[in-house]
Amino acid sequence: QVQLVESGGGLVKPGGSLRLSCAASGFTFSDYYMTWIRQAPGKGLEWVSYMSSSGTTIYYADSVKGRFIISRDNAKNSLYLQLNSLRVEDTAVYYCARRNGGLMDVWGKGTTVTVSS
Amino acid sequence: EIVLTQSPDFQSVTPKEKVTITCRASQSIGSSLHWYQQKPDQSPKLLIKYASQSISRVPSRFSGSGSGTDFTLTINSLEAEDAAAYYCHQSSSLPLTFGGGTKVEIK
Repeated sequence: QVQLVESGGGLVKPGGSLRLSCAASGFTFSDYYMTWIRQAPGKGLEWVSYMSSSGTTIYYADSVKGRFIISRDNAKNSLYLQLNSLRVEDTAVYYCARRNGGLMDVWGKGTTVTVSS
Repeated sequence: EIVLTQSPDFQSVTPKEKVTITCRASQSIGSSLHWYQQKPDQSPKLLIKYASQSISRVPSRFSGSGSGTDFTLTINSLEAEDAAAYYCHQSSSLPLTFGGGTKVEIK
């Protein structure tokens, strides 16, 4: 079935880095835009970034621009998010989601990133 | 940036009651408004797309309406399994944004 599985979260100190991965299965990954969305503890949803199916179009939220890098490997059916210069306020569950015609129709279970000294 | 304002923030409802959640956009977004349900410790699930289009395998008691700046999610005859947070989301323009969420509790 259609599935997204995130990994790579963990505890990191402020200023540190992490690389999140999202493994896709059950659909033709290379046909879809993909997105990252995050949710801070007890808070709402915040869009982080998206990448077009070919990887040529990329957008970031202002809150992460210049620090996070989205990428994908269509041969491996995988999406990535490199998190650099992490701040305490980046602490969140990070979800990978498939973008289908503008909306996110399939979500992973998320991976938790905790930024703390 | 398009700001989505949801109301109420919280609602405590008895089973079989009707629930209405509103989402107001800071500028017109046509019908590019979608609704998600997030149960505790789960990822969000798409409920309604493009303001009023139903999603397969979503119970028919969930419906959406509206266009432009004012939108509504209605849950007819609430069931215990509907206890969740509900979010609206606009895909009209970047940055993509979400409403602050409405938590629905079952009395």
